[in-house]
Amino acid sequence: DGGITQSPKYLFRKEGQNVTLSCEQNLNHDAMYWYRQDPGQGLRLIYYSQIVNDFQKGDIAEGYSVSREKKESFPLTVTSAQKNPTAFYLCASSLFGGGTDPQYFGPGTRLTVL
Amino acid sequence: AQKVTQAQTEISVVEKEDVTLDCVYETRDTTYYLFWYKQPPSGELVFLIRRNSFDEQNEISGRYSWNFQKSTSSFNFTITASQVVDSAVYFCALSAWTNFNKFYFGSGTKLNVKP
Repeated sequence: DGGITQSPKYLFRKEGQNVTLSCEQNLNHDAMYWYRQDPGQGLRLIYYSQIVNDFQKGDIAEGYSVSREKKESFPLTVTSAQKNPTAFYLCASSLFGGGTDPQYFGPGTRLTVL
Repeated sequence: AQKVTQAQTEISVVEKEDVTLDCVYETRDTTYYLFWYKQPPSGELVFLIRRNSFDEQNEISGRYSWNFQKSTSSFNFTITASQVVDSAVYFCALSAWTNFNKFYFGSGTKLNVKP
């Protein structure tokens, strides 16, 4: 089955630690995205990548970093510089990255900072 | 600038009632796309529909229908004969020509369907 997988589903971290969230897709999509969702709010774009080895900052990139070494993988690192990292993180992909294509989402990772 | 407004934060209905979720968008672009997504309690957003700015035909898919009106910049979503499984948060989103890389999401409408 084609789709997007995110792991882990739940993640706990101590303050001051970096943590990496995994996102993998087997849809052969060019573009991938990371969003953050806070309770009762919409989605805010963290980073996106339209092709391998290239990515762009979204609206709230501070305190986050990404890499895109393979087409199917787009991991997100939440660094200690992110002041309020507790949130629900969603990864998405789209066929070519233009706004004409729907974005398809993974199941999400819920990060809690203790 | 692009913007999507979903003024209804939360709606509660009883099963079998019809319900309409409102979406109002702002853009100066003449080329744009509108989307609806469903987010059930599990958290994953599910794509429901895409509509481009040149196609104002309404669409029906089973109990779901969408009404796109450029004159009022609205793209409303109606669920007919609602069911408990329809309970979710629904998001409307916009992508516009001047920044096609980005989706602008509304804040979502939480729909509670009670048995």
